[in-house]
Amino acid sequence: GQSLEQPSEVTAVEGAIVQINCTYQTSGFYGLSWYQQHDGGAPTFLSYNGLDGLEETGRFSSFLSRSDSYGYLLLQELQMKDSASYFCAVRGGPMDSNYQLIWGAGTKLIIKP
Amino acid sequence: NAGVTQTPKFQVLKTGQSMTLQCAQDMNHEYMSWYRQDPGMGLRLIHYSVGAGITDQGEVPNGYNVSRSTTEDFPLRLLSAAPSQTSVYFCASSYSSTGGYGYTFGSGTRLTVV
Repeated sequence: GQSLEQPSEVTAVEGAIVQINCTYQTSGFYGLSWYQQHDGGAPTFLSYNGLDGLEETGRFSSFLSRSDSYGYLLLQELQMKDSASYFCAVRGGPMDSNYQLIWGAGTKLIIKP
Repeated sequence: NAGVTQTPKFQVLKTGQSMTLQCAQDMNHEYMSWYRQDPGMGLRLIHYSVGAGITDQGEVPNGYNVSRSTTEDFPLRLLSAAPSQTSVYFCASSYSSTGGYGYTFGSGTRLTVV
């Protein structure tokens, strides 16, 4: 069956770097996305990886290795406002909810001063 | 630039009542979807639409109906509310379902069924 695994919680210090991992098991693969969600808010799109390698957007970077069914989100120069939940989502194949996005359970990022 | 607008923001229903959650987008997106989010869980897809007049079921469609008569609107109907439908509901839209353009989410509807 289809599944996405990501850590439930990660703690880091303000100004540091943190990596949130995501491993997936799907019958097909058409891209890995990352979303941020603050408590009580809606998810907001951060990045997308369709091919292997690193995508950089400001302080955030996302990496994909299709051969390892693995990706990560890297947050640099952490700020208190980065405290949120981060979700990975994979677009699977026809047997994975008919090509729709499959979502991980989310990683709660706690930042300490 | 409203984006995706959901109404209401909060709702309390009694078991057995029906209601419609409204969702409208002004970005001319073809793809729209409804998700529910329960504590400690990721988003679960209820129904989706790839264009006006076209809808399909997601992972958890039971107890919900949708219709897509225009590109802009995608209402979600709860037929007979049950306590198990207590959740936060999000509507999302995108240029396509591929995920590559990112989904834009509404602010959510927090539904409690008593």
